[in-house]
Amino acid sequence: GAVVSQHPSWVICKSGTSVKIECRSLDFQATTMFWYRQFPKQSLMLMATSNEGSKATYEQGVEKDKFLINHASLTLSTLTVTSAHPEDSSFYICSARESYRFNQPQHFGDGTRLSIL
Amino acid sequence: QKEVEQNSGPLSVPEGAIASLNCTYSDRGSQSFFWYRQYSGKSPELIMFIYSNGDKEDGRFTAQLNKASQYVSLLIRDSQPSDSATYLCAVNVNGTASKLTFGTGTRLQVTL
Repeated sequence: GAVVSQHPSWVICKSGTSVKIECRSLDFQATTMFWYRQFPKQSLMLMATSNEGSKATYEQGVEKDKFLINHASLTLSTLTVTSAHPEDSSFYICSARESYRFNQPQHFGDGTRLSIL
Repeated sequence: QKEVEQNSGPLSVPEGAIASLNCTYSDRGSQSFFWYRQYSGKSPELIMFIYSNGDKEDGRFTAQLNKASQYVSLLIRDSQPSDSATYLCAVNVNGTASKLTFGTGTRLQVTL
């Protein structure tokens, strides 16, 4: 149980392109989803938290107009990197939590490796 | 002081030995503690979580929590080469009810 699917796995695109990443909870309803970014040999950095049906909460330093998050249903959240540039190249990982209770574990998707040329 | 601290390693243990991974945290109000395993180039996967002081066992894994000393540890018995990975400690920090704060991870190498 607790499977999170993330798509696509890899994206290579030109600078200026917008990229959409999907995160789906396959066997549970995810009231809260999280988006992380991880640079090589560094730990996970939380970008934003989204609760179904409400606006995402972004971490300090994360541009909300650049990283658009939509959590329109209990099983799907999307992250759109708008006008991506080479510095946005990174490993993007989503996670989902089944319950509003904060002490429930987060389950991670397989991640999306984004390369901007 | 970092909120969640781990020794980056690498921690090298021979196959069949016990690997002991440690994590300390700064916020006394922290209530939930998680261990994730991350293979190189992959996303984290949940190993265990613990909420109460003491030990919690799941197969070859044992999580230990000591809130008075503000540390949580993960023991891996009968270590296998397939256990070689980075182990991330994550803490639900009081006041940030929704978020997890991750340590930088400890890299474990299990040698033949």
